[in-house]
Amino acid sequence: AQKITQTQPGMFVQEKEAVTLDCTYDTSDPSYGLFWYKQPSSGEMIFLIYQGSYDQQNATEGRYSLNFQKARKSANLVISASQLGDSAMYFCAMRLSGSARQLTFGSGTQLTVLP
Amino acid sequence: GAVVSQHPSWVICKSGTSVKIECRSLDFQATTMFWYRQFPKQSLMLMATSNEGSKATYEQGVEKDKFLINHASLTLSTLTVTSAHPEDSSFYICSASGGDPYNEQFFGPGTRLTVL
Repeated sequence: AQKITQTQPGMFVQEKEAVTLDCTYDTSDPSYGLFWYKQPSSGEMIFLIYQGSYDQQNATEGRYSLNFQKARKSANLVISASQLGDSAMYFCAMRLSGSARQLTFGSGTQLTVLP
Repeated sequence: GAVVSQHPSWVICKSGTSVKIECRSLDFQATTMFWYRQFPKQSLMLMATSNEGSKATYEQGVEKDKFLINHASLTLSTLTVTSAHPEDSSFYICSASGGDPYNEQFFGPGTRLTVL
């Protein structure tokens, strides 16, 4: 069975600095996708970035980048130049190929950006 | 991007009553919809997966007679919490997938249920 682990319940970062949110995963399936979502206090799930298991390059989307280390089974999210609006809960998720598109979520990391 | 709506956004009901939550894909046909439950400061837990026109597949530990899911059309799925009790109070989130090449799930804004 697949598993996603986020070991940081809470993180603090100073505004304008970069922060890395950790995510490790466990699966024996060679084909999978990794996602990061942001959930502000309003509750909506905002898609941030996606990395496929066969992608050769790390995914980037604006200030978000995914540090994908396949051998270590880690998919850390890097947020550069943090903004106050980045304060939210962040979830890492994994989807296996052929799994009817089901997502398995990690426990989340509460990020607080300090002014 | 694709838009998924949920209605209502919040609901308060008395113990013993039933509550229906709607999930709609507004600009695409959702062949698969998912229902999640989230307790405060916890992760999303998948409750069930529904495909249009067929019975929902429930995750282990989810009571199918209590959480009735109907996916009657390609744009609408409903979750009915029957005989709600205070322990059913939670944040319920749906997501929809339309069979695009990346099988991306688009999330609704969620429904906060409080059972008194």
